Amino acid sequence: AQSVAQPEDQVNVAEGNPLTVKCTYSVSGNPYLFWYVQYPNRGLQFLLKYITGDNLVKGSYGFEAEFNKSQTSFHLKKPSALVSDSALYFCAVRDPSGSARQLTFGSGTQLTVLP
Amino acid sequence: DAGVIQSPRHEVTEMGQEVTLRCKPISGHDYLFWYRQTMMRGLELLIYFNNNVPIDDSGMPEDRFSAKMPNASFSTLKIQPSEPRDSAVYFCASSLFASQYEQYFGPGTRLTVT
Repeated sequence: AQSVAQPEDQVNVAEGNPLTVKCTYSVSGNPYLFWYVQYPNRGLQFLLKYITGDNLVKGSYGFEAEFNKSQTSFHLKKPSALVSDSALYFCAVRDPSGSARQLTFGSGTQLTVLP
Repeated sequence: DAGVIQSPRHEVTEMGQEVTLRCKPISGHDYLFWYRQTMMRGLELLIYFNNNVPIDDSGMPEDRFSAKMPNASFSTLKIQPSEPRDSAVYFCASSLFASQYEQYFGPGTRLTVT
Protein backbone atom coordinates (compact mmCIF):
# COMPACT_ATOMS: atom_id res chain seq x y z
CA ALA A 1 0.00 0.00 0.00
CA GLN A 2 1.09 3.54 -0.65
CA SER A 3 0.48 6.50 1.61
CA VAL A 4 1.64 10.05 2.10
CA ALA A 5 1.50 12.42 5.06
CA GLN A 6 1.62 16.17 5.26
CA PRO A 7 2.11 16.88 8.95
CA GLU A 8 1.27 20.58 8.80
CA ASP A 9 -2.20 21.82 7.91
CA GLN A 10 -0.97 25.41 7.79
CA VAL A 11 2.37 27.08 7.16
CA ASN A 12 2.91 30.81 7.49
CA VAL A 13 6.01 32.54 6.23
CA ALA A 14 7.02 36.14 5.62
CA GLU A 15 7.58 37.31 2.08
CA GLY A 16 11.20 36.99 1.09
CA ASN A 17 11.92 34.25 3.61
CA PRO A 18 12.59 30.65 2.62
CA LEU A 19 9.66 28.27 2.81
CA THR A 20 9.37 24.54 3.43
CA VAL A 21 6.29 22.38 3.11
CA LYS A 22 6.82 18.92 4.53
CA CYS A 23 5.85 15.55 3.09
CA THR A 24 6.64 12.00 4.12
CA TYR A 25 5.65 8.86 2.26
CA SER A 26 5.32 5.12 2.62
CA VAL A 27 5.62 2.64 -0.26
CA SER A 28 7.00 -0.84 -0.55
CA GLY A 29 9.38 -0.03 -3.38
CA ASN A 30 10.99 3.07 -4.84
CA PRO A 31 8.45 5.90 -5.01
CA TYR A 32 7.34 8.28 -7.67
CA LEU A 33 6.66 11.57 -5.85
CA PHE A 34 4.76 14.63 -6.97
CA TRP A 35 3.86 18.10 -5.72
CA TYR A 36 0.76 19.96 -6.81
CA VAL A 37 -0.53 23.44 -6.01
CA GLN A 38 -4.16 24.53 -5.85
CA TYR A 39 -5.14 28.16 -6.02
CA PRO A 40 -8.62 29.21 -4.86
CA ASN A 41 -11.42 27.97 -7.10
CA ARG A 42 -8.97 26.21 -9.41
CA GLY A 43 -7.92 22.66 -10.15
CA LEU A 44 -4.67 21.14 -8.95
CA GLN A 45 -1.65 22.22 -10.93
CA PHE A 46 1.48 20.09 -11.30
CA LEU A 47 4.65 21.63 -9.81
CA LEU A 48 7.37 18.98 -9.93
CA LYS A 49 8.10 15.29 -9.60
CA TYR A 50 10.79 12.86 -8.56
CA ILE A 51 11.11 9.68 -10.57
CA THR A 52 14.78 8.78 -10.36
CA GLY A 53 18.20 10.41 -10.44
CA ASP A 54 19.21 13.62 -8.71
CA ASN A 55 17.60 13.92 -5.28
CA LEU A 56 17.05 17.65 -5.76
CA VAL A 57 14.25 18.29 -8.21
CA LYS A 58 13.48 21.72 -9.64
CA GLY A 59 10.02 22.70 -10.78
CA SER A 60 7.75 25.53 -11.73
CA TYR A 61 7.73 29.01 -10.15
CA GLY A 62 11.11 28.57 -8.47
CA PHE A 63 10.04 25.63 -6.33
CA GLU A 64 12.27 22.66 -5.65
CA ALA A 65 11.98 19.50 -3.61
CA GLU A 66 14.51 17.17 -2.07
CA PHE A 67 14.02 13.43 -2.08
CA ASN A 68 15.45 11.79 1.05
CA LYS A 69 15.15 8.03 0.93
CA SER A 70 16.46 7.37 4.43
CA GLN A 71 13.91 9.75 5.94
CA THR A 72 11.20 8.84 3.41
CA SER A 73 10.59 12.52 2.83
CA PHE A 74 10.01 14.82 -0.12
CA HIS A 75 9.85 18.35 1.26
CA LEU A 76 8.92 21.26 -1.00
CA LYS A 77 11.13 24.33 -0.75
CA LYS A 78 11.59 27.78 -2.16
CA PRO A 79 14.46 30.13 -1.28
CA SER A 80 12.39 33.32 -1.24
CA ALA A 81 8.61 33.23 -0.79
CA LEU A 82 6.21 35.48 -2.66
CA VAL A 83 2.74 36.56 -1.56
CA SER A 84 1.47 34.96 -4.76
CA ASP A 85 2.75 31.58 -3.54
CA SER A 86 -0.10 31.51 -1.02
CA ALA A 87 -2.14 28.44 -1.93
CA LEU A 88 -2.94 24.87 -0.96
CA TYR A 89 -0.13 22.40 -1.63
CA PHE A 90 -0.52 18.67 -2.08
CA CYS A 91 2.11 15.97 -2.03
CA ALA A 92 1.32 12.71 -3.85
CA VAL A 93 2.96 9.31 -4.22
CA ARG A 94 2.73 6.34 -6.51
CA ASP A 95 4.39 2.97 -6.02
CA PRO A 96 5.49 1.92 -9.52
CA SER A 97 6.00 -1.67 -8.40
CA GLY A 98 2.32 -1.97 -7.57
CA SER A 99 -0.60 -2.49 -9.89
CA ALA A 100 -2.35 0.71 -8.98
CA ARG A 101 -2.05 3.55 -11.42
CA GLN A 102 -3.60 6.15 -9.18
CA LEU A 103 -1.80 8.72 -7.12
CA THR A 104 -2.31 8.84 -3.38
CA PHE A 105 -2.59 12.44 -2.22
CA GLY A 106 -1.81 13.95 1.13
CA SER A 107 -4.31 16.03 3.05
CA GLY A 108 -2.82 19.30 1.84
CA THR A 109 -0.93 22.17 3.48
CA GLN A 110 -2.25 25.71 3.30
CA LEU A 111 0.67 28.05 2.71
CA THR A 112 0.21 31.70 3.59
CA VAL A 113 2.93 34.17 2.68
CA LEU A 114 2.59 37.35 4.67
CA PRO A 115 3.59 40.67 3.08
CA ASP B 1 -3.97 21.92 -25.99
CA ALA B 2 -6.87 23.36 -24.00
CA GLY B 3 -6.23 21.10 -21.04
CA VAL B 4 -8.86 19.05 -19.25
CA ILE B 5 -12.30 20.54 -19.75
CA GLN B 6 -15.13 20.13 -17.28
CA SER B 7 -18.73 21.24 -17.41
CA PRO B 8 -20.64 22.73 -15.83
CA ARG B 9 -18.37 24.78 -13.59
CA HIS B 10 -21.13 25.26 -11.07
CA GLU B 11 -24.25 23.21 -10.45
CA VAL B 12 -26.98 23.89 -7.94
CA THR B 13 -29.72 21.33 -7.66
CA GLU B 14 -32.35 20.12 -5.26
CA MET B 15 -32.14 16.91 -3.31
CA GLY B 16 -33.44 13.97 -5.29
CA GLN B 17 -32.54 15.38 -8.69
CA GLU B 18 -30.19 13.71 -11.13
CA VAL B 19 -26.84 15.43 -11.71
CA THR B 20 -24.47 14.79 -14.60
CA LEU B 21 -20.93 16.10 -14.63
CA ARG B 22 -18.89 16.05 -17.82
CA CYS B 23 -15.22 15.80 -18.64
CA LYS B 24 -13.09 15.99 -21.75
CA PRO B 25 -9.55 14.73 -21.12
CA ILE B 26 -6.42 15.92 -22.85
CA SER B 27 -6.12 14.38 -26.29
CA GLY B 28 -3.84 11.34 -26.29
CA HIS B 29 -4.15 10.66 -22.58
CA ASP B 30 -5.39 7.17 -21.88
CA TYR B 31 -6.03 7.42 -18.14
CA LEU B 32 -8.94 9.40 -16.71
CA PHE B 33 -9.62 9.98 -13.03
CA TRP B 34 -12.60 11.40 -11.12
CA TYR B 35 -11.96 12.98 -7.72
CA ARG B 36 -14.14 14.64 -5.10
CA GLN B 37 -12.84 17.37 -2.79
CA THR B 38 -14.47 18.45 0.46
CA MET B 39 -13.21 20.26 3.51
CA MET B 40 -13.96 17.29 5.72
CA ARG B 41 -12.53 14.48 3.60
CA GLY B 42 -9.98 16.25 1.43
CA LEU B 43 -9.29 14.87 -2.05
CA GLU B 44 -10.82 11.46 -2.71
CA LEU B 45 -10.37 9.29 -5.79
CA LEU B 46 -13.75 8.04 -6.93
CA ILE B 47 -12.97 6.01 -10.05
CA TYR B 48 -10.45 5.80 -12.85
CA PHE B 49 -10.47 4.53 -16.41
CA ASN B 50 -7.79 3.17 -18.70
CA ASN B 51 -8.55 3.21 -22.42
CA ASN B 52 -12.21 3.92 -21.61
CA VAL B 53 -12.50 0.89 -19.32
CA PRO B 54 -13.21 1.38 -15.60
CA ILE B 55 -10.30 -0.06 -13.64
CA ASP B 56 -11.02 0.78 -10.03
CA ASP B 57 -14.33 2.13 -8.75
CA SER B 58 -13.75 1.30 -5.11
CA GLY B 59 -13.91 4.97 -4.22
CA MET B 60 -17.44 5.46 -5.50
CA PRO B 61 -19.36 6.13 -2.32
CA GLU B 62 -22.70 4.55 -3.17
CA ASP B 63 -24.75 3.04 -5.94
CA ARG B 64 -26.19 6.48 -6.50
CA PHE B 65 -22.90 7.32 -8.20
CA SER B 66 -22.03 6.03 -11.65
CA ALA B 67 -19.42 6.92 -14.24
CA LYS B 68 -19.02 6.16 -17.91
CA MET B 69 -16.46 6.77 -20.59
CA PRO B 70 -18.08 6.02 -23.96
CA ASN B 71 -15.02 7.16 -25.91
CA ALA B 72 -11.52 8.52 -25.44
CA SER B 73 -12.62 12.14 -25.38
CA PHE B 74 -15.59 12.11 -23.03
CA SER B 75 -16.58 10.93 -19.58
CA THR B 76 -19.53 11.51 -17.30
CA LEU B 77 -20.10 11.21 -13.58
CA LYS B 78 -23.74 10.86 -12.63
CA ILE B 79 -25.42 11.12 -9.25
CA GLN B 80 -28.98 9.86 -9.02
CA PRO B 81 -30.64 10.77 -6.75
CA SER B 82 -28.51 13.56 -5.36
CA GLU B 83 -28.29 14.33 -1.63
CA PRO B 84 -26.99 17.37 0.27
CA ARG B 85 -23.94 15.41 1.45
CA ASP B 86 -22.88 15.09 -2.18
CA SER B 87 -22.08 18.80 -2.20
CA ALA B 88 -18.40 19.09 -3.11
CA VAL B 89 -16.03 20.06 -5.88
CA TYR B 90 -15.61 17.27 -8.41
CA PHE B 91 -12.41 17.12 -10.43
CA CYS B 92 -11.56 15.21 -13.52
CA ALA B 93 -7.89 14.50 -14.34
CA SER B 94 -6.10 12.71 -17.17
CA SER B 95 -2.63 11.33 -17.75
CA LEU B 96 -0.51 9.31 -20.12
CA PHE B 97 -0.20 5.59 -19.63
CA ALA B 98 3.13 5.35 -17.90
CA SER B 99 3.05 5.71 -14.15
CA GLN B 100 5.77 8.34 -14.02
CA TYR B 101 3.57 10.80 -15.82
CA GLU B 102 1.75 13.44 -13.83
CA GLN B 103 -1.99 13.90 -13.87
CA TYR B 104 -3.49 17.03 -15.31
CA PHE B 105 -6.56 18.35 -13.54
CA GLY B 106 -9.57 20.17 -14.87
CA PRO B 107 -10.97 23.30 -13.19
CA GLY B 108 -13.59 21.30 -11.31
CA THR B 109 -17.35 21.39 -10.94
CA ARG B 110 -18.70 22.88 -7.74
CA LEU B 111 -21.86 20.98 -6.88
CA THR B 112 -24.35 22.26 -4.35
CA VAL B 113 -27.31 20.08 -3.44
CA THR B 114 -30.00 21.86 -1.42
